[in-house]
Amino acid sequence: KQEVTQIPAALSVPEGENLVLNCSFTDSAIYNLQWFRQDPGKGLTSLLLIQSSQREQTSGRLNASLDKSSGRSTLYIAASQPGDSATYLCAVRQMDSSYKLIFGSGTRLLVRP
Amino acid sequence: GAGVSQSPRYKVAKRGQDVALRCDPISGHVSLFWYQQALGQGPEFLTYFQNEAQLDKSGLPSDRFFAERPEGSVSTLKIQRTQQEDSAVYLCASSLASSTGTGTNYGYTFGSGTRLTVV
Repeated sequence: KQEVTQIPAALSVPEGENLVLNCSFTDSAIYNLQWFRQDPGKGLTSLLLIQSSQREQTSGRLNASLDKSSGRSTLYIAASQPGDSATYLCAVRQMDSSYKLIFGSGTRLLVRP
Repeated sequence: GAGVSQSPRYKVAKRGQDVALRCDPISGHVSLFWYQQALGQGPEFLTYFQNEAQLDKSGLPSDRFFAERPEGSVSTLKIQRTQQEDSAVYLCASSLASSTGTGTNYGYTFGSGTRLTVV
């Protein structure tokens, strides 16, 4: 059974720092991996989606990498801003279940002004 | 509409009460999903619809949970005889694509959720 783990569970950094969020998964037979952002009381906003054949995706200050063989993904946030404060969730889609997302528990990020 | 709309935003139910949670997906979206998110946890899959057909309900925690999408658009998640462990945020998501496996990019749009508190 696929298990997705995110470390750290919470992170507090001063504004301007570069930071890395980690996601690991136990079953490498994934179709893709997605990073989401969740603000309090809000739904999930998709940030980056990496297909299983890809190594990384970039959007603005965000860069996500995927190492399928080792079961790891990282989300790199450059020059963090207070507006980046949110919970970041990673989710995988399995090869044998093309629609279901399996989520980690998230990393709660606080960027201090 | 422009996004996925869920109502109510908040629901407080007494233990044993029945509740109904509504999801209005983006118009034309074929696929609709329900997820349950407990406090401090990631969302967990409950059920999946392709148009009006419920193709997967393997994530529903018990037979007290029932979901429907009779006309292939609006969906309702019903919980009968609510219990305290049902307290969670219930998220709905929709997607234009159907579950065709490989080759499907599958962009999801999530609603803001319904926060259910059972007292």
